[in-house]
Formats: sequence, structure tokens, C-alpha cells
Amino acid sequence: QLQLQESGPGLVKPSETLSLTCTVSGGSISSVNYYWGWIRQPPGKGLEYIGLIYYVGSTYYNPSLKSRVTLSVDRSKNQFSLKLTSVTAADTAIYYCAKTGQGVATQYAYWGHGTLVTVSS
Amino acid sequence: QSVLTQPPSVSGAPGQRVTISCIGSSSNIGAGYAVHWYQQLPGTAPKLLIYDNNIRPSGVPDRFSGSKSGTSASLAITGLQADDEAHYYCQSYDASLSGSVFGGGTKLTV
Repeated sequence: QLQLQESGPGLVKPSETLSLTCTVSGGSISSVNYYWGWIRQPPGKGLEYIGLIYYVGSTYYNPSLKSRVTLSVDRSKNQFSLKLTSVTAADTAIYYCAKTGQGVATQYAYWGHGTLVTVSS
Repeated sequence: QSVLTQPPSVSGAPGQRVTISCIGSSSNIGAGYAVHWYQQLPGTAPKLLIYDNNIRPSGVPDRFSGSKSGTSASLAITGLQADDEAHYYCQSYDASLSGSVFGGGTKLTV
């Protein structure tokens, strides 16, 4: 059974960089035609797409976050990562990693449990 | 402001049927992209409920069904149960934004 687990600091200071890693178990991150993504949810609010990465390193970003987001993949560790620069309180959210169905324009079939990241000094 | 529009809340009595709408535009649902639905119970991650407009993943009861027409989609839940109380989100792909888009979510009260 595929499992995803987010990890990283739960508290980040304003203007600094948020860094999270998603570890995939029970399956390979190098699955052909499947993409790996990040979605966030501010407390009490809805879901926001951050971006997707393919195992060879191709990336797709939400235009509203593109200037601050970098996704990367480490096939040797079966992990992919998110970096979000110049964070503000508006970036406080639960961050989920997820695996899509086949293709970019598909559903998120598997989700991690999510990790709360608070931006505060 | 979400790209896909959902009612903030719906409610129904146990055993009843409710529907949740998801209204998009010509760059997402109207462009032919599939609609997917998620159920989010309090304090948990979203769970895929319906994908490709009307397909239920294994283990999802047939009380849940989805449909799509034009620039909108709907999720129907029949035989409402207390543990259906949750937030429900629709999701699709938007060609103008070149990425996934979500509805703002609908809270179902049973």
C-alpha cells in the first residue's frame, strides 16, 4: 500500500524559506506517467494547489506561487521536496504531499497525512 | 476566490439525498477536463471520493455518485449517514492556469 509522509520544520520565521520533504513508501517515485504534488490548506480554509513534479525533474507550478516555489526529486531516497521562499503569515497552512493518477490533469489518488507549518517570529 | 465555485454548506436529514454543485468555466470543466471529488473528515487529509467525473475508487460506497454537464459538475449523496458529515471539495484542471484548481469546499451537515 502506497504511503506518503511529510516532514520538516513546523515553525518558520517570516522572510525565511519553508522546506518540506515527502517520503514515499510502498511504491516507486519513478512510476511512469504519475506525478507528485504539493497542496496546502490554511487553517479553516480550502485547498490550494502548489505544484507537481515528475520523477525526471519536470515541474509545474501554481502561477500565483511560481516565483517563490521550487520542487525537486531525489530518486535514490524515493523522496520529493518543496521549498517556498520569503514566507509570510499567509503561508501558514497544513501542507500535503500527494500522488496523482496518470497524467498532469488528473486526480490526487494518494495523500500524506499533512504537516502544519506556522510562519511566525 | 476559488476558480471552481461550490456552495459553502448543505444539509440533510439521515436517509435523505443531497447534491453539491461545482461550477467552473470554459477553461476547466467546460474545456472537457475531468472533475474529481474529495471528502475531508475533521482533522484528516482529503480522501478521493470520485474521479473522472463519475468513477468511485474501490471501497467508496455507491451512495456517492458524480456527474458533469457543460461547465459544472455535481456530487450526489443518497441515504445520508451521520458519518458523512465532512467537507467536500471538487477539483479539475485549468488550461489557462496550467494546473489543478479546487473548489472552495462545501460543509455537509447531517
